[in-house]
Amino acid sequence: NAGVMQNPRHLVRRRGQEARLRCSPMKGHSHVYWYRQLPEEGLKFMVYLQKENIIDESGMPKERFSAEFPKEGPSILRIQQVVRGDSAAYFCASSPPGGDTEAFFGQGTRLTVV
Amino acid sequence: GQNIDQPTEMTATEGAIVQINCTYQTSGFNGLFWYQQHAGEAPTFLSYNVLDGLEEKGRFSSFLSRSKGYSYLLLKELQMKDSASYLCAVRRGSTLGRLYFGRGTQLTVWP
Repeated sequence: NAGVMQNPRHLVRRRGQEARLRCSPMKGHSHVYWYRQLPEEGLKFMVYLQKENIIDESGMPKERFSAEFPKEGPSILRIQQVVRGDSAAYFCASSPPGGDTEAFFGQGTRLTVV
Repeated sequence: GQNIDQPTEMTATEGAIVQINCTYQTSGFNGLFWYQQHAGEAPTFLSYNVLDGLEEKGRFSSFLSRSKGYSYLLLKELQMKDSASYLCAVRRGSTLGRLYFGRGTQLTVWP
């Protein structure tokens, strides 16, 4: 049973370009969470999605950031017109629809904006 | 918001015992998690406490006092591979993966 898969592991973008980060949850998991980790900072929640629904986007910046989790395929975190301050590690986590267990994290995508 | 505090750095020697403390202030508390994160890697789950008391899992134990807003992670028989960042995280409400993290404690284990 493969874990949470994120790609790419490393992504370099020039200022003003778009970044697309992908996350495939663990098999049987239908809930996806995106977190951002800035250097020397803790993980910060961004958005919580279920298939075709955004449940909680209270941690998402109001502009340039969007997320989706389509019926088929991975969850996508999209950052438009990237700026240097977007450079960070972006982690995805997934959990099953019910029960009392932990969320499992992927290995992250390290975005560098040059 | 949530205030989750843990020390920034700790050091210890192989074979020793280390205790990493975490204090928190939050409403709607529904569990405290400890994760281990090696540099450049995914956070991996270590322990979960929702009731007061001690949970033991091999060399790792975690304690929770809800009335004091306090938890600790205890690592015994330290090994070099335990050098990592240890993340304390609080869950509010029922959403499994909606966690509030501290900044992490960087533990260095010396030979």
